[in-house]
Formats: sequence, C-alpha cells, structure tokens
Amino acid sequence: NAGVTQTPKFQVLKTGQSMTLQCAQDMNHEYMSWYRQDPGMGLRLIHYSVGAGITDQGEVPNGYNVSRSTTEDFPLRLLSAAPSQTSVYFCASRDHGNYGYTFGSGTRLTVV
Amino acid sequence: AQRVTQPEKLLSVFKGAPVELKCNYSYSGSPELFWYVQYSRQRLQLLLRHISRESIKGFTADLNKGETSFHLKKPFAQEEDSAMYYCVILTGGGNKLTFGTGTQLKVEL
Repeated sequence: NAGVTQTPKFQVLKTGQSMTLQCAQDMNHEYMSWYRQDPGMGLRLIHYSVGAGITDQGEVPNGYNVSRSTTEDFPLRLLSAAPSQTSVYFCASRDHGNYGYTFGSGTRLTVV
Repeated sequence: AQRVTQPEKLLSVFKGAPVELKCNYSYSGSPELFWYVQYSRQRLQLLLRHISRESIKGFTADLNKGETSFHLKKPFAQEEDSAMYYCVILTGGGNKLTFGTGTQLKVEL
C-alpha cells in the first residue's frame, strides 16, 4: 500500500512548455485534489475530483487542466508554463467516509 | 467565503514549555476543522480533527465557536514537535480544504 504517489519529485521547465504532473493512489479513494504551496500563502486548491469522470475547479485553476479517467489516477496538466507557476504541488485523496486527507510527497516545479 | 488565519509565522519555545498555536477562522456554516503537520522533508499529515476530540502526540485543540478559534495546544513541548503546522477548514461538501498560512514551530533545547 503505497498511499499517494507523485511523480516527478522535481522538474524545471522553460516558459511556454507543457507538462503533466502525475498522481496515483492505491487506496480506492473517491476524492482527489491538487494543491499548490507558495511561501507565506499556505496551500491553495487548484482542481478536485469526487470520482472517476467528475472534476471541478478550485481556488486557483487558471493555467491547469485535470482529468479523472480512473479512480486511481488524477494527473495535473500545465498547458503553457509560466514563472508564476513555480511552486510545490501536492496531490491528496480521501475516501467517502473519512474526512482526513492523505497527501503525496509533492512535486517541486521551477519555471524559468 | 471561508478563511483561516494563523497570526504567527514562527513560534519558538524551549523544550518542556507549553505550546499554543493560534488559529481563527471565518465560515458561515458549521465548520469542520483540522490541524495538519509537516515535519522536515516529510509529507503533510493529519494531526487531529476537531470532531474526534482526540489527543495526538500530546496535542489537543478545542473548537470555540463564540471566538471562532481552534487553537492547538500542548503542555510540554518536545524537540520532535518542531515542524510546520497548518490549521485547515473543510468545506464544499468535503471537497475543499482551505489552509491557513502555517506556523513554523521551533522547539529549542
């Protein structure tokens, strides 16, 4: 039982490049979310999903896309990377009956 | 809209001293509040949830609806308590976590 797995751990992109941050969980959790962590701002919700095929926007969705084709995977796509997207990204999941989220170890992204 | 305020960016205490990490919230509904902790080079993990009224690692937190506060307390700080602590409110039908800006606790010997 690996929990929530995020890849890659580190990534450097040039402005304008696209990439996908991967998130997978093996706990059969229905709810999955993406957050970004910036200094002095805590974590902010980007997108979330309540089940396969269902996604919705969070607080800061611009510049990001998500999809949820399976229960296990919830990838986050950066369409055209900008320096403002330099951040640490966390994926989290929980099951229906438990309000405590399990977090991944994070992806540190730098856009130059 | 919901909001969580943690007024202290850094709190430094000596080992064995009491600890209180402050958290105030604003939310029009009935709040579901948590404390999450992030130790150095580790992932975020749930410390405690207000509704469970548990004591985890010696920490407790009481929800005060009148003062809209959810302060985290521990009577005697340990060196291993040094970490970043986030106060969090859950809304949106259980889909949205709103984080405070975090308090870095440093326990000195």
